[in-house]
Amino acid sequence: GENVEQHPSTLSVQEGDSAVIKCTYSDSASNYFPWYKQELGKRPQLIIDIRSNVGEKKDQRIAVTLNKTAKHFSLHITETQPEDSAVYFCASSGNTPLVFGKGTRLSVIA
Amino acid sequence: SQTIHQWPATLVQPVGSPLSLECTVEGTSNPNLYWYRQAAGRGLQLLFYSVGIGQISSEVPQNLSASRPQDRQFILSSKKLLLSDSGFYLCAWSVLHAYTFGSGTRLTVV
Repeated sequence: GENVEQHPSTLSVQEGDSAVIKCTYSDSASNYFPWYKQELGKRPQLIIDIRSNVGEKKDQRIAVTLNKTAKHFSLHITETQPEDSAVYFCASSGNTPLVFGKGTRLSVIA
Repeated sequence: SQTIHQWPATLVQPVGSPLSLECTVEGTSNPNLYWYRQAAGRGLQLLFYSVGIGQISSEVPQNLSASRPQDRQFILSSKKLLLSDSGFYLCAWSVLHAYTFGSGTRLTVV
């Protein structure tokens, strides 16, 4: 079955700096790659997703890149703000349910 | 618009007691439904998913079970809880790929 690895597990950045979180997946049939943000005690919320026919997608300060050949995808957050502090999860799926990475705890230091 | 309801929000149960968590979806038909569990500080583990009434797929063998008695209702149950069943239980629905999570149930088994 699909296996998703996510790095780093924790990340601290200064406010205004960029943050990058990377994930790799194992199933070459996977074609959907979402990213979720989870604040403490809350449900995960979808922040951006990308499908396998696209290499990059951007939404304001957030961007996701996908390299299908290497089976990895990344989340980029620019101009980080304290409210970006949360746990971020990558996930992937093809014809099966989403498989999640173990999460990255991002701390933005003011 | 589509909404997902999950209850209760918190639950404290003794070891060996039964469990029933309920999830309902509004505003969509024939959704795929999922139960995930999140242990403290950990990732999201898929427990069960359903593509239709009465159709349940189990990802993790354990003392939990799931049922889908109606199109938009998904129930997670246990006859006898274990200490290791403690965690944050999340119901989710999807049509095509994008998942939407319920607000979660924080279960503590004592």
